[in-house]
Amino acid sequence: QVFLVQSGAEVKKPGASVKVSCKASGYTLTDHGISWVRQAPGQGLEWVGWISADNGYTSYLQKLQGRVAITTDTATSTAYMELRSLRSDDTAVYYCARHRYCSSSSCYFDLWGRGTLVTVSS
Amino acid sequence: EIVLTQSPGTLSLSPGERATLSCRASQSVSSNYLVWYQHKPGQAPRLLIYGASIRATGIPDRFSGTGSGTDFTLTISRLESEDSAVYYCQQYGDSPGTFGQGTKVEIK
Repeated sequence: QVFLVQSGAEVKKPGASVKVSCKASGYTLTDHGISWVRQAPGQGLEWVGWISADNGYTSYLQKLQGRVAITTDTATSTAYMELRSLRSDDTAVYYCARHRYCSSSSCYFDLWGRGTLVTVSS
Repeated sequence: EIVLTQSPGTLSLSPGERATLSCRASQSVSSNYLVWYQHKPGQAPRLLIYGASIRATGIPDRFSGTGSGTDFTLTISRLESEDSAVYYCQQYGDSPGTFGQGTKVEIK
């Protein structure tokens, strides 16, 4: 069976950074790209960014540019999403998701993690 | 970006009934690049339909997707108690990929 196993909940103060992990189990991480999607309380899903499988190319939601970084560690089959200069409106559940197919513009996902709650509060 | 509007916000139906969920796009979704996910609390979202109408592996045939352009529909033909969840549409034909706000299906 295949899974994406995410790290546990985090509580951070405004201005701090958070790094959420997503470990691939049952398949080779670099066979598929990975996206991160978040859901703020009472809100819909919002794509955060992605990392491609073949060359490590990254793309981020424009409003998060400069604050977010997605990386992978092939040795541990783990993807990471780091978000810096946290604000209260970054409070959300963050999901990693495996790319099933990508058009020239975006992708859809056939495997998701269960989510990591990141709470930003003073 | 393409805005996806899902309706209704909540559906409350009995087992065996048909559920019809709508997803309307603010502009045409190229190549019908639209998917549907099922999301239950505390679980990972599950891919149901891709390419607007193709069932993903292992998805029962009571789930079906139709539509093109700006109007898409997910139909659950005979509701079961396990279908209680929030259903999201997502388009992947434009950047960034965007999601609808979800339709909650409640089983009476």
